[in-house]
Amino acid sequence: AQKITQTQPGMFVQEKEAVTLDCTYDTSDPSYGLFWYKQPSSGEMIFLIYQGSYDQQNATEGRYSLNFQKARKSANLVISASQLGDSAMYFCAMREGGGYSTLTFGKGTMLLVSP
Amino acid sequence: NAGVTQTPKFRILKIGQSMTLQCTQDMNHNYMYWYRQDPGMGLKLIYYSVGAGITDKGEVPNGYNVSRSTTEDFPLRLELAAPSQTSVYFCASSSRTPNTEAFFGQGTRLTVV
Repeated sequence: AQKITQTQPGMFVQEKEAVTLDCTYDTSDPSYGLFWYKQPSSGEMIFLIYQGSYDQQNATEGRYSLNFQKARKSANLVISASQLGDSAMYFCAMREGGGYSTLTFGKGTMLLVSP
Repeated sequence: NAGVTQTPKFRILKIGQSMTLQCTQDMNHNYMYWYRQDPGMGLKLIYYSVGAGITDKGEVPNGYNVSRSTTEDFPLRLELAAPSQTSVYFCASSSRTPNTEAFFGQGTRLTVV
């Protein structure tokens, strides 16, 4: 079974608008972390934001925020005031806390920001 | 601050050839990973290591081998290259703490013809 599901293959947004990229996850481990990465067309992987399973508040980093709904097992990325440079592939990933944990990625969402 | 360094950036291999993708990190991270990314897809874990001398298979290990003789280096060996191994390969590293992000190398674009 997929551990990370990103159901939106592509999203379009106009410049300066907000956009939400969906991510749901599946784990039975009570301790886990959720990560979002950005991959621009140049190919590098850029870390954006982290949310821990025990964090009481939603994570924020500048224009990025994470809408964390633990009971629904969702960790949606919200980008406010979109910019042209936000056009990229976005990946949600999870790392479980128990044992030797590795980072598991979703299939990604391609975001295109139009002027 | 080098972070994670992968070489080469690009490589074309003929079917049946072998090669080693090099990866080194200077952050003293315990964990290192190799992922492959096929076009339009997410990253799939090939192998990982939790410390020098310890490696384990990920989701797609067939056709690959790894070793971890030092904390810094985690080379990925392709034996008998096949067209199905055409992909972009990423090396990454992280500390053992679950709430810290993984740092990625720039990637290696490999084509097997």
